Order: sequence, then C-alpha cells, then structure tokens
Amino acid sequence: DAGITQSPRHKVTETGTPVTLRCHQTENHRYMYWYRQDPGHGLRLIHYSYGVKDTDKGEVSDGYSVSRSKTEDFLLTLESATSSQTSVYFCAISDPGQEYNEQFFGPGTRLTVL
Amino acid sequence: ILNVEQSPQSLHVQEGDSTNFTCSFPSSNFYALHWYRWETAKSPEALFVMTLNGDEKKKGRISATLNTKEGYSYLYIKGSQPEDSATYLCARGYYGGSQGNLIFGKGTKLSVKP
Repeated sequence: DAGITQSPRHKVTETGTPVTLRCHQTENHRYMYWYRQDPGHGLRLIHYSYGVKDTDKGEVSDGYSVSRSKTEDFLLTLESATSSQTSVYFCAISDPGQEYNEQFFGPGTRLTVL
Repeated sequence: ILNVEQSPQSLHVQEGDSTNFTCSFPSSNFYALHWYRWETAKSPEALFVMTLNGDEKKKGRISATLNTKEGYSYLYIKGSQPEDSATYLCARGYYGGSQGNLIFGKGTKLSVKP
C-alpha cells in the first residue's frame, strides 16, 4: 500500500468553525489531491498540488483552501465549515512517469458539520 | 470538464453470474483510462490503467477493454463472487490536462448475492 495517511479520520464540528484536514505521504510523489465523496456525485476534486507551494483549484473549491509547505504534507482547510461540507474527504497522490499518473488514495476522513 | 459516464449506476447479480459495465468518455486528447475498485468504508484501489486503443488487461476474473476511438471501456467480471461487491470507478486522464488530473465517473455499484 502507498504510504498515505490522513488525520483526523473522523471529526464532528459545528457550523462556522475552521477545520483543517491533513494528508501525509511517505512516497515522495509530486502531485497531491483532495477529493470529496458524496452520494450521487462520486469523487469530486477540491484542490490539487503539483509541487511545494504550487496549488490550484478543482471542480468544487469554494469554501476550501489548501497549503503545501513540504512535499509530504497537503493541508485542506475549511475556513468556516457549513453543513454542506459534511462529506468524506479523500487525499490522493500520484507522480508523473509512473503508470500514467495513477492515483493512490488515503483512507479518508469523515467530517460531520452540525 | 470532460465528463466520464458510467453505466449502469448499480447492478445486482447472483454469485456465479458474469457481468460487465461500461465507461464512456470523450475521446479527444486521450491519455489514459484507469479503473478502480472501491469497497464500502475503504479507499479506492487501482485495478487497471490502459492507454492504447484495443488494450485488454486482466487480473484474475476481472478484465477490461479499451476503445479510444469511440470513447469507451468495458469492465468484465467472470463468475462474480460476494467479495466482488464494490463500486467500480473509471477515470480518464487527458493530454493538456492539469498536472495529471483524472476525471472520474460516478461509478457502478455491484452487489453480488450468495
């Protein structure tokens, strides 16, 4: 298994509070991604990173920000959590030149916003 | 967004049945087609990556074919077993896309009854 961990694995928070999710990898892969998984929508890309301090928006980036200060860590922040951000969040990694950018996924974080 | 469509959305079969599902995608700027297997409460796991028109990959009882000219891929499961129950995702990579991003379909959820 690819060395990807996510923390926390479960979190319950209240509307309006900031929340930060962490993705940590030990594979030294260049690209990292944050997705959310919701019924009927499959996996939707929130933000991605193509290197340290290089990030860009995905399909559903409103209300989220990211940071990548070192290769191994990619942080997802909900500035002011809303109930619509209740979801399961997956981090993924990939590397150019390896299996056509096949992505490997972390275990997921279940976030509930009350 | 280059939509990836999967059909059917869900499928219920009996143990021992063979089954197949479809992934359709725009064929322009095609780079690679990935299949993932996603068990409930786990993270997606890579099954296959295919790049060439006519590619066929096989892993045990599961196989996949690719037609890049018409923009579709089939996933076949021979002699389904209860442990095959999962959601099967396909994802397309494309030239000119952002840094290795994949566009995921919403998946086909397979349930195999003993």
